[in-house]
This record gives sequence, structure tokens and C-alpha cells, in this order.
Amino acid sequence: GAVVSQHPSRVICKSGTSVKIECRSLDFQATTMFWYRQFPKKSLMLMATSNEGSKATYEQGVEKDKFLINHASLTLSTLTVTSAHPEDSSFYICSAHRTGGPGELFFGEGSRLTVL
Amino acid sequence: AQKITQTQPGMFVQEKEAVTLDCTYDTSDPSYGLFWYKQPSSGEMIFLIYQGSYDQQNATEGRYSLNFQKARKSANLVISASQLGDSAMYFCAMRGYSGGSNYKLTFGKGTLLTVNP
Repeated sequence: GAVVSQHPSRVICKSGTSVKIECRSLDFQATTMFWYRQFPKKSLMLMATSNEGSKATYEQGVEKDKFLINHASLTLSTLTVTSAHPEDSSFYICSAHRTGGPGELFFGEGSRLTVL
Repeated sequence: AQKITQTQPGMFVQEKEAVTLDCTYDTSDPSYGLFWYKQPSSGEMIFLIYQGSYDQQNATEGRYSLNFQKARKSANLVISASQLGDSAMYFCAMRGYSGGSNYKLTFGKGTLLTVNP
């Protein structure tokens, strides 16, 4: 099956620092990847759509300068939380669409960010 | 706009019994897809089953089946012969196929399933 790897799985950082989270499709190419944010016991909230070779499309209310997304290759998208603050603490999940499939998204394992 | 509604915040089922998780949806897209994902406590999202809006038959995948009633706009997940490992959060999701949807999914709020021994 299609595998999406997300790294790191857990990260703790100090307030004011930046954190980068990677999302890789290991055995397929993904021209489109998605970044979600999930609060405890809540649903997934789409943050942005990451398109290979072009700028990301952000959902309404998501700060572009706060959450930088780079999709530099067909297998890698990165989310950088800049100048992180405690309210940015959350579970971040990426997903990738496998070209040719019925549209199901394959998800990474998620990254739990804690900002002190 | 698309909307997914899961009205059951939590469900309990006895091991080896069947359980139905409810999902209703609303969309203006003539063509769409419906998905169910399982999220155990570890956090990963596991794809379970898919139903296309024009599929004539209800989707089945092992112990999972999707009770698709298009007129009622419902896509309930049926898990047969529940196992302890089925305890998890379950999300219903939809994807529209009109221009601009770009494969992104809209998720419901989820149902926490607990399987009792």
C-alpha cells in the first residue's frame, strides 16, 4: 500500500523558535499534499493544500507567514511553524493524494508539536 | 460547500457484535466520493473504505461495509464481528469532484468507538 512518512513524530520547542515538519510519500509520487491540524478529541482541520512546484493554497483563517509550506519535489512537502507560540501546540497531520487512485488520501503518522 | 455530519460522539459495542456508525452529508457536487478513516490513539489516519457517488453497489472491505443511501444522503459504516482492536475514533469524509476541489477532504467530527470484551 501507499506509505506516507512524517517526521518528527514528536517535537518540543521553546516559544519563539521555528519548527519544520516533513511529509514524504515513500512509494508513490504526490503532486498534491495536504496539511491538517487536529486539536485533542476534535476533527481534522485543513490548513493548506501543498502543490509541487507552486505556492500552497491556504484555507481561510490560516496565517501564511506563520505556517510556511514548501513542496519542492514530488515526494516531499514541509511545514514550518515560524516563531512558534504555545497556542501553536497541536497535532499536525499531512496527507498525500496518489495519482490514479479513487481519491483516497494516505496520511502520515502525524507530528505532535508542543511549544513551551 | 460540503458538510459531513456524524451525530454519534461515542458508541459502545460488545466484542464480536456488529456496529453501525452514522454519517450524513450535504453537497452540491453531482459527483463525489465518501471515505471512512480510523484513527487509533496513536494518531495515524487509516483508510478503511471508499464509496463513489455513482457506484451501483455498496462498498465492502473485509469486515467493513458502507451502507450508501444516496437519496437520504447517508453513508453509514458497518463493522461486523467487532474486535477489541477496532476501538478508535472513526471519521467520515467527503471529496467533491467539481473543479477546484483539488482532492481535499471534508471531515466529520468523528465517532469514538469502544469495543467491550
